[in-house]
Amino acid sequence: DAGITQSPRYKITETGRQVTLMCHQTWSHSYMFWYRQDLGHGLRLIYYSAAADITDKGEVSDGYVVSRSKTENFPLTLESATRSQTSVYFCASRLGGSTGELFFGEGSRLTVL
Amino acid sequence: QKEVEQDPGPLSVPEGAIVSLNCTYSNSAFQYFMWYRQYSRKGPELLMYTYSSGNKEDGRFTAQVDKSSKYISLFIRDSQPSDSATYLCAMSGAGGFKTIFGAGTRLFVKA
Repeated sequence: DAGITQSPRYKITETGRQVTLMCHQTWSHSYMFWYRQDLGHGLRLIYYSAAADITDKGEVSDGYVVSRSKTENFPLTLESATRSQTSVYFCASRLGGSTGELFFGEGSRLTVL
Repeated sequence: QKEVEQDPGPLSVPEGAIVSLNCTYSNSAFQYFMWYRQYSRKGPELLMYTYSSGNKEDGRFTAQVDKSSKYISLFIRDSQPSDSATYLCAMSGAGGFKTIFGAGTRLFVKA
């Protein structure tokens, strides 16, 4: 199916473990984003990418790493998970530039024990 | 202070009511204003998109932007139970890649 897909949808892990959340889009959009959503904070930008091999930090990037070797994939890695990283993570894509609609995936719900 | 402020609610209204949702912002560089709707355990979806100041209408939904007051609104007429969701305001500036979101307002429309 066309669109943006995230995996896993649900993940439980322990403090200190490495976790990778996957994001795949089929539209060939240039821009991809990772947000986290927490009660009272809304969506906060973790990282974004303007194209393959071009990434930049958002407002809450500490503890996260991203890569983008192919246009369609944008994995997010938590190198050593902490309880404060318990959240719902959303991947999004946009065709280009600063305007236009963001298309979101269904989200990955991560719990760090 | 957050760049975008939005009352998280919850807001509960009877079916058929007019709903008013609002956001204020502090960055005068914002030029593109959006409202996203998010159903429970789903990703946000774009509902309304406006550029600069003014009104935009789409069916039962009207978006208003007042840049002089740094205030945006979303009105829902004849609200339906299917409108029950979280509504997030969002905005971005010219030449910028980042979209900044409000905290979201949870809306419940009772049948």
